[in-house]
Amino acid sequence: QSVLTQPPSVSAAPGQKVAISCSGSTSNIGSSYVAWYQQVPGTVPKLLVYDNDKRASEIPDRFSGSKSGTSATLEITGLQTGDEADYYCGTWDSRLSAGVFGGGTKLTVL
Amino acid sequence: QVQLQESGPGLVKPSQTLSLTCTVSDDSISSGLYSWTWIRQPAGKALEWIGRLYASGNTNYNPSLESRVTMSTDTSKKQFSLKLRSVTAADTAVYFCARAIYGRVNYSYYYYMGVWGKGTTVTVSS
Repeated sequence: QSVLTQPPSVSAAPGQKVAISCSGSTSNIGSSYVAWYQQVPGTVPKLLVYDNDKRASEIPDRFSGSKSGTSATLEITGLQTGDEADYYCGTWDSRLSAGVFGGGTKLTVL
Repeated sequence: QVQLQESGPGLVKPSQTLSLTCTVSDDSISSGLYSWTWIRQPAGKALEWIGRLYASGNTNYNPSLESRVTMSTDTSKKQFSLKLRSVTAADTAVYFCARAIYGRVNYSYYYYMGVWGKGTTVTVSS
């Protein structure tokens, strides 16, 4: 059971937009910045967004992050088949004094 | 661009100790700017944070694993290590090492893994 809660799957058509949510609590998202990672199956996770809304190096502006209270959202616009992957949110939990991840969301581009 | 590489046995017997090493390609392991992190992922499952340490030796561990985990650094070799004791089949996973950035600003923590190793598969089986 992951500390952060994500929907198991989302899907959308090419060119469309999708939002992936990440829900936590006051001890993690509520008091920490959120990062998002993309993992194409069989590959290494890649940092997409950090500090809630900053894109990592060479990440296109189709990917954007936001945070409100104890929840965060990753939005992907102009979906491409190459965006099919698992997406994880992550942050620091001050009560646990530990890093925490969401359970991951599988994105399918129909 | 810094690179990280995990190494260690791919097969460990139940009840024994899993030992992995991560070699860092540059001198950043000696920098207090970064924390050095271990993460694992069982097949078909989510990422699980194991723990992190600084070159100073300060550590934080996942509370669910803390009783079995020890992490250490050897800056002269540009390496950091993971030991997980008393393993069972549930510890079978791909293990990743990563370089993380951690800090606190305006009463909020920031923590993210910007560089990852390629991962190494560890199977616990007799």
